[in-house]
Amino acid sequence: QSALTQPPSASGSPGQSVTISCTGTSSDVGHYNYVSWYQQHPGKAPKLMIYEVSKRPSGVPDRFSGSKSGNTASLTVSGLQADDEANYYCSSYADSNILVFGGGTKLTVL
Amino acid sequence: EVQLVESGGGLVQPGESLRLSCAASGFTFSSYWIHWVRQPPGKGLVWVSRINDDGRITSYADSVKGRFTISRDNAKNTLYLQMNSLRAEDTAVYYCARGTMGFDTWGQGTLVTVSS
Repeated sequence: QSALTQPPSASGSPGQSVTISCTGTSSDVGHYNYVSWYQQHPGKAPKLMIYEVSKRPSGVPDRFSGSKSGNTASLTVSGLQADDEANYYCSSYADSNILVFGGGTKLTVL
Repeated sequence: EVQLVESGGGLVQPGESLRLSCAASGFTFSSYWIHWVRQPPGKGLVWVSRINDDGRITSYADSVKGRFTISRDNAKNTLYLQMNSLRAEDTAVYYCARGTMGFDTWGQGTLVTVSS
């Protein structure tokens, strides 16, 4: 039950785009289209941003998009805004009926 | 308003037990899978356990298997996590979260501290 691999940090200037990767294995990300992404501001509960690889819940701006290729999923945030600065976590369904999270990526808006 | 509210956290000694609760409101609780997710201080999210809508299917992370038990009472709209043989590494904020594969609703969390 290893955690998914995310870069510890990412950054971009307002208006730019940034992509955060989430690498798993053929037992999780590569096998199931059940990758989700969460945004967490300090001291707050996580918020669902993307589910089932690329679907956006109601209310999430279309500046947030998700994709997957092989064992790696990605979250792209376009038109960066100050409020996008937060920690982002990916998760995936995995073999043996479990879920796994990534270690998290701290996104800084410069 | 769709809401999950955790309770039951606190300070316990290693080896002791604790039961967390998660009270649901604003939606049909018995129609949803619910999960427990924890976050150690200053660290990332870790999935702990899940239970299906009628309580018959459960699964656990290896780190808690055999020590933690998830259950639910749909008549009371409440989820539980019975935590036995607690260890220092179980120290975390524990969240309950609604959903099957993506968690669209989270509680505010309850802090469990295991320390002598």
